[in-house]
Amino acid sequence: EVQLVESGGGLVEPGGSLRLSCAASGSTFSNAWMIWVRQAPGKGLEWVARIKDRAAGGTTDYAAFVKDRFIISRDDSRDSLYLQLNSLKTEDTGIYYCSTDHYRWGQGTLVTVSS
Amino acid sequence: DIVMTQTPLSSPVTLGQPASISCRSSQSLVHSNGITYLSWLQQRPGQPPRLLIYEISKRFSGVPDRFSGSGAGTDFTLKISRVEAEDVGVYYCMQLIQLPYTFGQGTKLEIK
Repeated sequence: EVQLVESGGGLVEPGGSLRLSCAASGSTFSNAWMIWVRQAPGKGLEWVARIKDRAAGGTTDYAAFVKDRFIISRDDSRDSLYLQLNSLKTEDTGIYYCSTDHYRWGQGTLVTVSS
Repeated sequence: DIVMTQTPLSSPVTLGQPASISCRSSQSLVHSNGITYLSWLQQRPGQPPRLLIYEISKRFSGVPDRFSGSGAGTDFTLKISRVEAEDVGVYYCMQLIQLPYTFGQGTKLEIK
């Protein structure tokens, strides 16, 4: 059973950047398609990005609202998933969860974009 | 994008009684491989989401059998046979047939 632990969240000013990390353990990370999902305060769930495993080409996909601001990546040698957040806006505030394509979920990391 | 619509948005239930949540998608969730990519997730207060049901009716690892899913095409239902206190939270349906993955608005299950 894979376990996921996110980190890297924090307070950042509008226009700033953050790099979120998701460390996986307990299973074969390299075979998993991974996603990031976010949740604004008091709101529902919103899919952000997906990265396939190497066997499927490692291709990436993004929600339209990302608009080239975020980059999802993975390092299978470190069993880690990343989400680079650039040009952050106040509406990007929320908890960011990593997940093995919706099967297992981490506890999330809070991103707050505010001046 | 596929729109997922849940009803009701709030469901007060008596402990030990059944509960039911409906979810309708704006497009068919049936893949050409015959699999329907509709899942149900639970989010307890202050907790991350947790997968309960995938592919309409398959219970995920560790999910109690009081949870069941049914439906086809564009109409789906999550049922809890006997609600327990630990079931309090928000329930989401989710489609994975097409990007972007999308979720229902969430149904808040609370105890009367």
